[in-house]
Amino acid sequence: AQTVTQSQPEMSVQEAETVTLSCTYDTSESDYYLFWYKQPPSRQMILVIRQEAYKQQNATENRFSVNFQKAAKSFSLKISDSQLGDAAMYFCAYRETQGGSEKLVFGKGTKLTVNP
Amino acid sequence: DTGVSQNPRHKITKRGQNVTFRCDPISEHNRLYWYRQTLGQGPEFLTYFQNEAQLEKSRLLSDRFSAERPKGSFSTLEIQRTEQGDSAMYLCASSFLGQGASQETQYFGPGTRLLVL
Repeated sequence: AQTVTQSQPEMSVQEAETVTLSCTYDTSESDYYLFWYKQPPSRQMILVIRQEAYKQQNATENRFSVNFQKAAKSFSLKISDSQLGDAAMYFCAYRETQGGSEKLVFGKGTKLTVNP
Repeated sequence: DTGVSQNPRHKITKRGQNVTFRCDPISEHNRLYWYRQTLGQGPEFLTYFQNEAQLEKSRLLSDRFSAERPKGSFSTLEIQRTEQGDSAMYLCASSFLGQGASQETQYFGPGTRLLVL
């Protein structure tokens, strides 16, 4: 079964600085999707960024970018110019491509604190 | 479009009682998912529907749990004879599967927090 591991239960960053959240996963599939979701306190989960495994280029969404290392099964999230509103739980998730299981498999999350 | 909505947002019940949660997906989304999230953990998949058909169920979904999506729009998740271990946040998500399935993204609702006393 696929597993997702987030080895950093908590991280902190100074406002305007850069932080990287780690994620590794285990799968025998060659094609799949990877996601980072953000869950602010008492608010709903929102998608931050997604990566399709067959794409070599790392995904980028404004201040958020990923470092996708397929051979190492690593998918880290970099947040540049951190803002107070970035404080949240961040979950890494994996999903098989169409035809496989449609479920998202989540890691346990990393709690990000942004210090002013 | 107001996003995925869930009702109620909070539910407190006594052990042994039945509870039912509702999820209204984003309109025209043909896929609907249920997840459970306990404190300090990531969400865990329970089940999903494509239109009205329930296509996959997790082993977490014991026979006390039942989910329906009768008309392919809203869905209900019922827990019978609740146990204290059922206390968790129940999350609903929806997505649209069409041509270009690589664009499918699951959008989450705010969740229903269940406390079983």
